[in-house]
Amino acid sequence: GAVVSQHPSWVICKSGTSVKIECRSLDFQATTMFWYRQFPKQSLMLMATSNEGSKATYEQGVEKDKFLINHASLTLSTLTVTSAHPEDSSFYICSASLVGTGVEQYFGPGTRLTVT
Amino acid sequence: RKEVEQDPGPFNVPEGATVAFNCTYSNSASQSFFWYRQDCRKEPKLLMSVYSSGNEDGRFTAQLNRASQYISLLIRDSKLSDSATYLCVVILHDYKLSFGAGTTVTVRA
Repeated sequence: GAVVSQHPSWVICKSGTSVKIECRSLDFQATTMFWYRQFPKQSLMLMATSNEGSKATYEQGVEKDKFLINHASLTLSTLTVTSAHPEDSSFYICSASLVGTGVEQYFGPGTRLTVT
Repeated sequence: RKEVEQDPGPFNVPEGATVAFNCTYSNSASQSFFWYRQDCRKEPKLLMSVYSSGNEDGRFTAQLNRASQYISLLIRDSKLSDSATYLCVVILHDYKLSFGAGTTVTVRA
């Protein structure tokens, strides 16, 4: 149980385009989903916390207009990287926590974004 | 100062050896502590929680030292499959996970 999927698993796009990444909890409902970014040999950095039906809370230094997050249901959150640039190339990972708990997070397999 | 700091390694050990490494955290109000394992180009997976009294899960032993603000992970009888990056994770509040950059362990035959 507690499986989280992400789609796509990898994507290459041209500079200036937008990319949408989906995060789904497959067999549980997630009140809260988290979006992380990981550059090579660096730690996962929390970008934002997304709660179903409300606006996402962004971490300091993360541009909310560039990284649009929508958490429309208890099983789906999306991250859209708008006007992508090469420096946005990274490994994007989502996680979800079970309703009523919150401490244990289940991670998706990640999406590797390359912007050319 | 980073919230969570780890020795990046790599720790290269032969099969059957014991390897141990620490992680320090900066905020004394941190509430929960975990070790995650991350394989190359994969998502992190929870290895074990770390309790104040220390805890063991098979060949893995985790310890927490609140006074010195560090946690440790010890792996006994290393297997080839233990080769991975081990991420120290600390929760301060609001269920936000703070990750260390990871300690790489390579177990050789």
